[in-house]
Parts: sequence; structure tokens; C-alpha cells
Amino acid sequence: SQQGEEDPQALSIQEGENATMNCSYKTSINNLQWYRQNSGRGLVHLILIRSNEREKHSGRLRVTLDTSKKSSSLLITASRAADTASYFCATAGLSGSARQLTFGSGTQLTVLP
Amino acid sequence: DAGVIQSPRHEVTEMGQEVTLRCKPISGHDYLFWYRQTMMRGLELLIYFNNNVPIDDSGMPEDRFSAKMPNASFSTLKIQPSEPRDSAVYFCASSLGGGVGQRFFGSGTQLSVL
Repeated sequence: SQQGEEDPQALSIQEGENATMNCSYKTSINNLQWYRQNSGRGLVHLILIRSNEREKHSGRLRVTLDTSKKSSSLLITASRAADTASYFCATAGLSGSARQLTFGSGTQLTVLP
Repeated sequence: DAGVIQSPRHEVTEMGQEVTLRCKPISGHDYLFWYRQTMMRGLELLIYFNNNVPIDDSGMPEDRFSAKMPNASFSTLKIQPSEPRDSAVYFCASSLGGGVGQRFFGSGTQLSVL
């Protein structure tokens, strides 16, 4: 399966701390995406990193991709209570088929004020 | 842009009833996806359309499920008859110009079948 798996399943930190979530996958990918889901809402796209990229930044978000280890990490710096949400990685297969964007089971992040 | 719009937000029905979920994708997007999310199975892709044409429905769990996209601005997911195990959150998403790019999700329909 192409599906990425996030680690840890749950993470609780204090406001102002950094939060790191990891995603591992099994086979070669076209790209990897991170999404956020607030309780009772849909998924919101955060960042897309292509297989030939190693690092991307967007505001307080930093994503790294290590294709040799088949893993990615999402770092949220200076976390805020509003960052409390579930975070999902999605891996896109090499075929480019829309079906091959598969989502992991997510990391539940809780940021305590 | 209003984003992907789904209706209803919540649906409570009794077993055996027909349920119709609705979705309006972002204008100009050429891909539309229907997902189901449960605690046990996570986010599952049910079916997707490209330019209003169903491309892959291999994720549709049973013949009780059907989906249509009569035009570029509207899609429905129908369950007939509904069963308690269909209870889940159903999401519609759309994207532009490529199957593995960024997807834009609606807020979902929380379906409860009693």
C-alpha cells in the first residue's frame, strides 16, 4: 500500500513549543502533502513537497522529505492553541492516478494554553 | 471563492431510508472526489470524477451507493437503502488540473443512520 502512516498518533504540547509529526510510507512517490483537520471540519491543505525536494517552508510550518528513508516530517514552530487539530499526510503515487493519493490515519495535536 | 459546499451538514435518518448528499465544487475545478471518514477506517476514497465523468468507483462499498455529476457545478452521493454501518462523515473535495495535486475539501456531511 502507498498509504503514509503518521507518528505519533497523539501529541500534546504547551503553547509556544514546537511540534514535530512524522510520516512514513512504503513505495516511491510523486509528492507528499500535509493537511490539517479541525474538529468537525474538512481537511485543509497545508503544503505539498515533490519527490525531488528536500525541504519546504510556509510560515511557521517546515516540511522535510527523505526519499531514501521514505519519510517526511512536519514541524510547527511556536505553536498556538489554534494549531490544535488532526494532521494528515497524503502520499501520491508515481502513476499520477487520482486514486493514488492516499491519506494516513493522522496525528492528533493538542496545544495547551 | 466560497470553497467546496456540501449539504446537508448533518443528516439523521432511519435504516432503509434513502439518503442524498450534495456537493458544489469550486468553480473551474475539473476533478471531484467523494470520501468517507470513520474512526475505524480513516479517510476512504469512494469515487472520483474528471470533467463530470466517473473515472474510478472501485471504492464504492456496495451497490447501495451511487454517485452522479450531471454538470460541472453539482454532484450527488446517494445511499439507498441506508444501513447503520453507513454512519460516517462524508466529504466532497475538488481539485484542478491533475489527480495528485492539492485537494480542496468541503466541511462534510455527518450522517447518522439509526
